[in-house]
Amino acid sequence: NAGVTQTPKFQVLKTGQSMTLQCAQDMNHEYMSWYRQDPGMGLRLIHYSVGAGITDQGEVPNGYNVSRSTTEDFPLRLLSAAPSQTSVYFCASSWPPGQGDTGELFFGEGSRLTVL
Amino acid sequence: AQSVTQLDSQVPVFEEAPVELRCNYSSSVSVYLFWYVQYPNQGLQLLLKYLSGSTLVKGINGFEAEFNKSQTSFHLRKPSVHISDTAEYFCAVKDYGQNFVFGPGTRLSVLP
Repeated sequence: NAGVTQTPKFQVLKTGQSMTLQCAQDMNHEYMSWYRQDPGMGLRLIHYSVGAGITDQGEVPNGYNVSRSTTEDFPLRLLSAAPSQTSVYFCASSWPPGQGDTGELFFGEGSRLTVL
Repeated sequence: AQSVTQLDSQVPVFEEAPVELRCNYSSSVSVYLFWYVQYPNQGLQLLLKYLSGSTLVKGINGFEAEFNKSQTSFHLRKPSVHISDTAEYFCAVKDYGQNFVFGPGTRLSVLP
């Protein structure tokens, strides 16, 4: 029972490079999301998806793209990395309210990204 | 929009002492409330949740929280902490929408 799997766990980029953080879940959750965690700021929502083919912006979407072609996968793309994107990124999934389980978020173990 | 306040950014406490971590949220509409714990270099793990019913919620590792609708609070408590409880704790709220809003976190340090 893998839950939410994120890769890579660590990544160092140079300013201007692009990369994709991968996220996969095996719980058949419709809702998936990406957060970034910065000291003293908690977790801030970047993008989210309520099902395959549907994505929307969260609180801090600039500089990031997402897509949701399947229920299982929700990759996060950094188009042109900037030092301000140095952070720890978490993918999380859940059932929508009123369905399945109680709607709590299940988290991956995080991806630590450093942009030089 | 919802907001979550955790007034204490750091809480040092001696081992076997009681602890309370405070959480307040902004909205008076019906919400779901959660506490998550994050151990160093790990993801977030659910401690407990309030969905409805009894206002006193018990979670894992001996933690409990009390939902107070009039004060829009959901404080986390443990009567006797252990060294292993050293971690960062996040309060989160979800309304009838899809998204969670997290507080800034409280770093609990348990001292021997």
